[in-house]
Amino acid sequence: EVQLVESGGGLVKPGGSLRLACAASGFTFSNYSMSWVRQAPGKGLEWVSSMIVRSSSIYYADSVKGRFTISRDNAKNSLYLQMNSLRAEDTAVYYCVRDQWLGYWGQGTLVTVSS
Amino acid sequence: DIQMTQSPSSLSASVGDRVTITCRASQGIRNDLGWYQQKPGKAPKRLIYATSSLHSGVPSRFSGSGSGTEFTLTISSLQPEDFATYFCLQHNSYPYTFGQGTKLEIK
Repeated sequence: EVQLVESGGGLVKPGGSLRLACAASGFTFSNYSMSWVRQAPGKGLEWVSSMIVRSSSIYYADSVKGRFTISRDNAKNSLYLQMNSLRAEDTAVYYCVRDQWLGYWGQGTLVTVSS
Repeated sequence: DIQMTQSPSSLSASVGDRVTITCRASQGIRNDLGWYQQKPGKAPKRLIYATSSLHSGVPSRFSGSGSGTEFTLTISSLQPEDFATYFCLQHNSYPYTFGQGTKLEIK
């Protein structure tokens, strides 16, 4: 069974940093592209970033480009999202998602950016 | 960026009804479209991928169709557990974009 468990969310001040982690199990992690998607409270879904295995390509939404960095550690079956220069509008539940077609989702971790 | 226009934004229906939700893409996306269901406080779950393929474990009352710029999700006979919010997603090109969502409520 595919399992994705996010951690690292919390309350952070504007301008601060946070690192999200996603622990993957139930599949061969190194074979799969991975993504982050977020959802602001009461709002729709927004794709944030994807890391594509086959092409070694990385993509970011314009809203986070230059501030967020996606990475992975295949030895630890883990995906990460380093978030710097956080803004109030980054407040959202962040989901870790398997594959580039967004097939399997974790339960999410809440990031709140507020002073 | 490709814009996804989803309609209706909300829908009231009864158990046993047949309902259809539509997504229109601002440009052609071949069949690179998925549909998701989300219940309050829960993560989205994929129902349909590649426009019409059923995700593993999803009941056959869900179906998808379309191509190019016009896509539909159909629930053939609503069940109580189907009342939720539904989103479409285009994964044809980055940035991936979602429809605004359709909230399906009990009439």
